[in-house]
Amino acid sequence: GAVVSQHPSWVICKSGTSVKIECRSLDFQATTMFWYRQFPKQSLMLMATSNEGSKATYEQGVEKDKFLINHASLTLSTLTVTSAHPEDSSFYICSGTGTHVGTQYFGPGTRLLVL
Amino acid sequence: DAKTTQPPSMDCAEGRAANLPCNHSTISGNEYVYWYRQIHSQGPQYIIHGLKNNETNEMASLIITEDRKSSTLILPHATLRDTAVYYCIVRPHGGATNKLIFGTGTLLAVQP
Repeated sequence: GAVVSQHPSWVICKSGTSVKIECRSLDFQATTMFWYRQFPKQSLMLMATSNEGSKATYEQGVEKDKFLINHASLTLSTLTVTSAHPEDSSFYICSGTGTHVGTQYFGPGTRLLVL
Repeated sequence: DAKTTQPPSMDCAEGRAANLPCNHSTISGNEYVYWYRQIHSQGPQYIIHGLKNNETNEMASLIITEDRKSSTLILPHATLRDTAVYYCIVRPHGGATNKLIFGTGTLLAVQP
């Protein structure tokens, strides 16, 4: 299957700071990338969908000014958590799909802890 | 997307076949059945998908009933590394904007 990477794999930051998470498709061109969040013992929750070169579409209840998504190339999308607070601590997972890759392939996830 | 129903948990003995059921009685004609799994603290892993015919790959087999209202994922020889939450999702294939909506899945515990 296609490979998606995420960086960093885990990050600890102070409350009020911003954190950027990178998602890369390594062996395919991801025309669309998705960002999910997962709290302990819960299922994945879709946060937003981003198409290369376009603004992201956010799910209801997700603050677009807090979770900035950039999808500037066919292999890279970034999620920036701005002014992070302890309640933003979670497991963030990205996935990608492309013109020739109809199935979504997921990254390994990034664990964020805000102190 | 059509709603799916899965048992919350199942046990399976190591080396035996694991049969994970999924009900999707409201599935539409253009919707595929996808299976993903998530091992603890990792991103979901794609397993298999199908429309109406049974499918098999190196990981698993997917059996879809003739009326397409239910399906079964079969892991032929479960190992301890197959312990994970298994998600059954129905959605149209391809289409860059089609989302995957995850339910609660089935926690498969493979016992030694």
